[in-house]
Amino acid sequence: GAGVSQSPRYKVAKRGQDVALRCDPISGHVSLFWYQQALGQGPEFLTYFQNEAQLDKSGLPSDRFFAERPEGSVSTLKIQRTQQEDSAVYLCASSFLTSGISTDTQYFGPGTRLTVL
Amino acid sequence: KNEVEQSPQNLTAQEGEFITINCSYSVGISALHWLQQHPGGGIVSLFMLSSGKKKHGRLIATINIQEKHSSLHITASHPRDSAVYICAVLFGGSQGNLIFGKGTKLSVKP
Repeated sequence: GAGVSQSPRYKVAKRGQDVALRCDPISGHVSLFWYQQALGQGPEFLTYFQNEAQLDKSGLPSDRFFAERPEGSVSTLKIQRTQQEDSAVYLCASSFLTSGISTDTQYFGPGTRLTVL
Repeated sequence: KNEVEQSPQNLTAQEGEFITINCSYSVGISALHWLQQHPGGGIVSLFMLSSGKKKHGRLIATINIQEKHSSLHITASHPRDSAVYICAVLFGGSQGNLIFGKGTKLSVKP
């Protein structure tokens, strides 16, 4: 079936606005990851879900960042009161992890490019 | 801090050349990924390896666990290989989140 999809692909926000970024993982994939990629840098980990449980949110840069995956499939990354430093590509990845530590291949979405003016 | 270092940062090659991209990491890992990212495009997983060597077409990935080092080789390079190549590792004990290098930007000229 289809790969990981993300929407919107591009988002321009004024500083202070709230934004919501959506990720549709591959059907049946248990694990879902969010990464932030600044221009010219490698991606950096934000948060990780196993089904609906958020097991690690240590990479979220501030309490303005919030992620959820209420039914264990689609996930939303929300950024409140956006700042210019939030401008980046936000990548979502999923993998078919069943339990424990995964060494499974992660499949990446195309990313959402967020620009905060 | 767990770190992943890649070299070179930028690489320009002529079509047909043999290319090597290097990745070093600081502590023990469970697995290492080589990923490819085209401009404006998503990330594609090329290899995942925890020991030895893997080959797919013109791409070869090797890892030396003792030396904490991996290499990605491209034989008979082609302009369509132009992309950013990223090394990412899964450190032992982590939940599955990858730690990424900054990437190597490869440009292959015809």
